[in-house]
Amino acid sequence: DVKVTQSSRYLVKRTGEKVFLECVQDMDHENMFWYRQDPGLGLRLIYFSYDVKMKEKGDIPEGYSVSREKKERFSLILESASTNQTSMYLCASSGGGTYQETQYFGPGTRLLVL
Amino acid sequence: DQQVKQNSPSLSVQEGRISILNCDYTNSMFDYFLWYKKYPAEGPTFLISISSIKDKNEDGRFTVFLNKSAKHLSLHIVPSQPGDSAVYFCAASKGNAGNMLTFGGGTRLMVKP
Repeated sequence: DVKVTQSSRYLVKRTGEKVFLECVQDMDHENMFWYRQDPGLGLRLIYFSYDVKMKEKGDIPEGYSVSREKKERFSLILESASTNQTSMYLCASSGGGTYQETQYFGPGTRLLVL
Repeated sequence: DQQVKQNSPSLSVQEGRISILNCDYTNSMFDYFLWYKKYPAEGPTFLISISSIKDKNEDGRFTVFLNKSAKHLSLHIVPSQPGDSAVYFCAASKGNAGNMLTFGGGTRLMVKP
């Protein structure tokens, strides 16, 4: 069974703080993704990575950065948290085979920025 | 501009009846479509998918229909069960875009006993 874990289920941070969200997958997947989920907007892709040290911008990368130093770990960084980054953050991973690979999601981190 | 849209934010159905969830897309380059199911406090889980070379895919109680000319797909759940109550997301991908998925806004399904 694929397992994707996220370091925190709930986080409360203050405006301007640097925030790290960690994601680990145990299936040796090539691809990893960070999304945010907001009501009515579904899941929007922030960044993804198809290999160690590789990253690509998604649809809404502004205000975020990522790091992938090891294959199993993909970190999302909010350099200076703002209230409009209050959201549910979801990490996902998938294999590096055909483009029709299923993405497997972690349980999510609900971030509140005050 | 949302390329994948789920126009019904919620749907309520009686147990045992059919649930039909709809999804529309605008990008004709999408060629693979998926449905994910999400319970509160959990991540989305893959439910069923369909390639653009097909117009129907069935898996137990779940069937996905694709109408390419209308750029429309639907998920049918028959019979609906209370455990099906969740948020359902439609997603689409393009063959030349690796594994990137574009999601719709989701539909909350409530199945009443």
